[in-house]
Amino acid sequence: GAGVSQSPRYKVAKRGQDVALRCDPISGHVSLFWYQQALGQGPEFLTYFQNEAQLDKSGLPSDRFFAERPEGSVSTLKIQRTQQEDSAVYLCASSRYGLADNEQFFGPGTRLTVL
Amino acid sequence: TQLLEQSPQFLSIQEGENLTVYCNSSSVFSSLQWYRQEPGEGPVLLVTVVTGGEVKKLKRLTFQFGDARKDSSLHITAAQPGDTGLYLCAGSGGGADGLTFGKGTHLIIQP
Repeated sequence: GAGVSQSPRYKVAKRGQDVALRCDPISGHVSLFWYQQALGQGPEFLTYFQNEAQLDKSGLPSDRFFAERPEGSVSTLKIQRTQQEDSAVYLCASSRYGLADNEQFFGPGTRLTVL
Repeated sequence: TQLLEQSPQFLSIQEGENLTVYCNSSSVFSSLQWYRQEPGEGPVLLVTVVTGGEVKKLKRLTFQFGDARKDSSLHITAAQPGDTGLYLCAGSGGGADGLTFGKGTHLIIQP
C-alpha cells in the first residue's frame, strides 16, 4: 500500500529495556511527525523532521527519547530504559510539504506496553 | 502552550439524532483540522478550516471555524452507526511544527 506503515504494531517491554519503533512514511513526503497517544486521550506531539533535519524535538518527554531520520525517509523512535509511564500508542505521520497545516497522513501506530 | 478543549468527552445517542461537538481554545490558530480515529488505527483527516467564520460541509457533517479562529464545531445530522468513533480537533500555529490535539470526543451511535 501507499500509506504510512509502522512496525512493530505491538511491543511489550520489561521496565528498563530499550525499544526502537520504525516508521515508513509515504514516499516523497518531506515532513515526518511522531506523536504519543495515551489511552483514551488525543495524540501529543513529540518531534518533527523536515527531510533528515530534526527541526523540533520540544515534545520529547525526557532525554531517554531519541528520534532519527538519517536519509530523510524512514524514521526510528528509540526509547531507552523504558518506564511504565512510557506505555502508549506511538503514532507517526507524514505530510507532503513542510508546514504543519498540510494534511498529515497517520500510520496505524505502535502500541507499547511496559511491564 | 496552546490547549484545545473538546466537549463533550463522551456522547452516546440513537441513530437518526443530531449532535454537535465543540473544540475551544484561548489561543488563535492558523488553521484547525478535524480527524476521526477508529480503534487500532491512526487518525484520518476529515476537514481543514482556515478562515475565521468558515463553514465546510462533508455530507452529513458540518464544520465551522469561529470568527476569531479560536474555536470550532462539528455538527452531525441524522447520525448513523457508521459515524461511531473518536473525533479529534487539532490546531496548527501555521509554522513548521506539530499539531496540537484536543483530547477527543468518543461518539457512539446506537442502532
